[in-house]
Amino acid sequence: SQKIEQNSEALNIQEGKTATLTCNYTNYSPAYLQWYRQDPGRGPVFLLLIRENEKEKRKERLKVTFDTTLKQSLFHITASQPADSATYLCALSGYSTLTFGKGTMLLVSP
Amino acid sequence: NAGVTQTPKFRILKIGQSMTLQCAQDMNHNYMYWYRQDPGMGLKLIYYSVGAGITDKGEVPNGYNVSRSTTEDFPLRLELAAPSQTSVYFCASSLTFTGETEAFFGQGTRLTVV
Repeated sequence: SQKIEQNSEALNIQEGKTATLTCNYTNYSPAYLQWYRQDPGRGPVFLLLIRENEKEKRKERLKVTFDTTLKQSLFHITASQPADSATYLCALSGYSTLTFGKGTMLLVSP
Repeated sequence: NAGVTQTPKFRILKIGQSMTLQCAQDMNHNYMYWYRQDPGMGLKLIYYSVGAGITDKGEVPNGYNVSRSTTEDFPLRLELAAPSQTSVYFCASSLTFTGETEAFFGQGTRLTVV
């Protein structure tokens, strides 16, 4: 069956460092991969979308890579700030509805 | 633009009661979705709609019903509430169906069934 894996353990990093979050998938051939941010008690908010034929996408301090051979996406936040602390969800779509991973919590300490 | 609006924000139901979770969007999106999110779990798709009058089941539809009489509104009905339906419910909408564009989410409804 289709499976999306995100690191269940929280990622703790120091302010100013680069945070790297991982999304792995199996039994899936996604056409699109999206990343969302979710704060406690709030709905997910869209951050970035990358297509299967794209290797990398950037938006300000955010960068997403998509490796369809490794079946993996990496999500980077450079120069991280305490305000970046949140749960980050990856979501995949293979020409149908989005399927979400469980998310990884990021904690950025001052 | 309010985006996606869900009501109520919180609700406590007794086992066997029924209720309707309301969802409205003002972006003229054809595609709307209901997800539930349990602690430590990903969002699970309950039902979705591709336009007024058209709905379909998602991954976890049992115990729920939906209707879509207008483009703007997509209510989720819980009949005979059970403790297993304790969860946070999110409504979302998107311009396209296939993940080609972003999904906009509401603030969520936290439901407890006791």
